[in-house]
Amino acid sequence: EVQLVQSGAEVKKPGESLKISCKVSGYTFTTSWIGWVRQMPGKGLEWMGIIYPGDSDARYNPSFQGQVTISADKSISTAYLQWSSLKASDTAMYYCARGYGYIDYWGQGTLVTVSS
Amino acid sequence: EIVLTQSPGTLSLSPGERATLSCGASQRVSSSDLAWYQQKPGQAPRLLIFGASSRATGIPDRFSGSGSGTDFTLTISRLEPEDFAVYYCQQYGSSPHTFGQGTKLEIK
Repeated sequence: EVQLVQSGAEVKKPGESLKISCKVSGYTFTTSWIGWVRQMPGKGLEWMGIIYPGDSDARYNPSFQGQVTISADKSISTAYLQWSSLKASDTAMYYCARGYGYIDYWGQGTLVTVSS
Repeated sequence: EIVLTQSPGTLSLSPGERATLSCGASQRVSSSDLAWYQQKPGQAPRLLIFGASSRATGIPDRFSGSGSGTDFTLTISRLEPEDFAVYYCQQYGSSPHTFGQGTKLEIK
């Protein structure tokens, strides 16, 4: 059974750094693209970017380029999304999602709250 | 970037009725690379349709997708109580992959 299990909710202050994770199981991590989707409170879905864990080829939505970093650790089948300096506007639910095109499996979501 | 516009924003129907949701693209979507997702409150989205018209694994046949180019449709033939949710279209033929703003299907 394919599973994407994300790390727990985070509460951070503006300017802090953060790295959230997505551990996968049930398929070969290095042979499928995995990405991240943002959903701000009460809003729709936004495709942030994606990575191919086999060679760490990462591609970003220009709207998120330079704002976040997507990475993967093949040894523990885990993908990451990180920020170096959070803003209040980063408050959202973040989903990891498998698939370069359509997304066939989703994580349960990680709620990130940024507030002073 | 391709902008997807979904209509209507909200659709109010009763169980047993037919639902027709539209997704229009600002540019042609290549190879019918369009998907539909369902999202219920507090849950992650679920894939319904990919390739504009192929049902994902386990999706009931009351869900169907159609269209090509710039105009796509999701049809739910006979609404069940569990179908009331928000529906999103997504194009993945051109980077960045983009989602529509969603259609909320509510019980009338």
